[in-house]
This record gives sequence, C-alpha cells and structure tokens, in this order.
Amino acid sequence: SQKIEQNSEALNIQEGKTATLTCNYTNYSPAYLQWYRQDPGRGPVFLLLIRENEKEKRKERLKVTFDTTLKQSLFHITASQPADSATYLCALEDTGNQFYFGTGTSLTVIP
Amino acid sequence: NAGVTQTPKFRVLKTGQSMTLLCAQDMNHEYMYWYRQDPGMGLRLIHYSVGEGTTAKGEVPDGYNVSRLKKQNFLLGLESAAPSQTSVYFCASSPAVEKLFFGSGTQLSVL
Repeated sequence: SQKIEQNSEALNIQEGKTATLTCNYTNYSPAYLQWYRQDPGRGPVFLLLIRENEKEKRKERLKVTFDTTLKQSLFHITASQPADSATYLCALEDTGNQFYFGTGTSLTVIP
Repeated sequence: NAGVTQTPKFRVLKTGQSMTLLCAQDMNHEYMYWYRQDPGMGLRLIHYSVGEGTTAKGEVPDGYNVSRLKKQNFLLGLESAAPSQTSVYFCASSPAVEKLFFGSGTQLSVL
C-alpha cells in the first residue's frame, strides 16, 4: 500500500539551530514533492516544491532535498526561530492531479 | 484578494442530518480539492475536480458527494451525517497542480 511517513515524534530544538524533518514514501513515483506549513486552526500554506530531477532547492532559510532512490525528502530550517514553530507537512502528487499528504511533524523552537 | 473561502467555519449536526460545505475561490484556478484532517491521520483527499463540471473520487469518498457547477465553487455534501465524519474539512485550489492554496477549514461535529 502507499505510505507517506514523517518524523513520528514532535521535534523540539533550540533557537538558532538547524531543524531537519524527514519525509519517506513507499509505492509512489512522484514527479515532485511539496512542503507545507500549518499553524493551529489554520489551513496549510505552501512553502517549497522540488522536482524529481532536482537534488536540492533553497528558499531563504529553508532547504529541501529529494532522493528518489531512497524515496526520501529532507526539509531543513537553518537558524531556527520561535516563529518557525508549526506543523510541517510533505505532499506528493501521484497519478495526476491528486495530492497525498504525510501526517506532519510538529516543530517547536525553544527560545 | 480573498483566495479560498470556506463556509461555514463551524457546524454541529445530528446523526442522519444533511449539509453542504461551500468552497469559493477567486483566483480562476482549474483544480479544486476537498480534504479531511483527523488527528494522527493527516490530510486525506475526499474528492477533487480538474475543471468546471468535472469531479473525481479521492482516497475516502464514501458518504460524500461533490459538485462543481461553476469554476469558482466546489461544494461538498453529506447526505446522512455519521459520527465518523466528525473532522476538520479543508478545501484547496490549484492553478497548475503544483501548489495548493487552502482555505481556513470547517470544523464539523456529528453527534
């Protein structure tokens, strides 16, 4: 069966450190992978997209890698801040037009 | 620019009652989606539409119906609500299947 798994535990890190979140998938062949941020009581907000032929993508303090051999994406937030505290979701597009989401990783940045 | 607007924001139903959730987008997007989000389950796709007049089933379509009579609106109907449909429902739209724009959600409780 198809699965998208993210860090199962909540992640707590100290302000200023780099947070690394993982997204592993099985039985998908995505053309690209996305990362979203979700704050409590709000809808997810798109952050980054990385295509299957891209190894790495950066946007300000965010970096995403995509390894189609390992079927894994890593999401990094460098110089983390308390305002980065949120739940982060990865999503795959599969069989055209459908997006499937992982369960998310709750990140808390401690001042 | 309002983006994606969902109504209502909250609703309580009794088992067996029916209701319709409305999603409206003002971005002229072709693609629209309905998801439900439950603790520990992540976002699960209910139904989606690739254009006006079209709909298709997602991962968890049972107990729901949808209609896309106008490009800007995507309606989700529950004909006979069940407690298992207690959830937070999110609508999303997309211009080109690479990035989803979400509404703020509808909290539905079925007693």
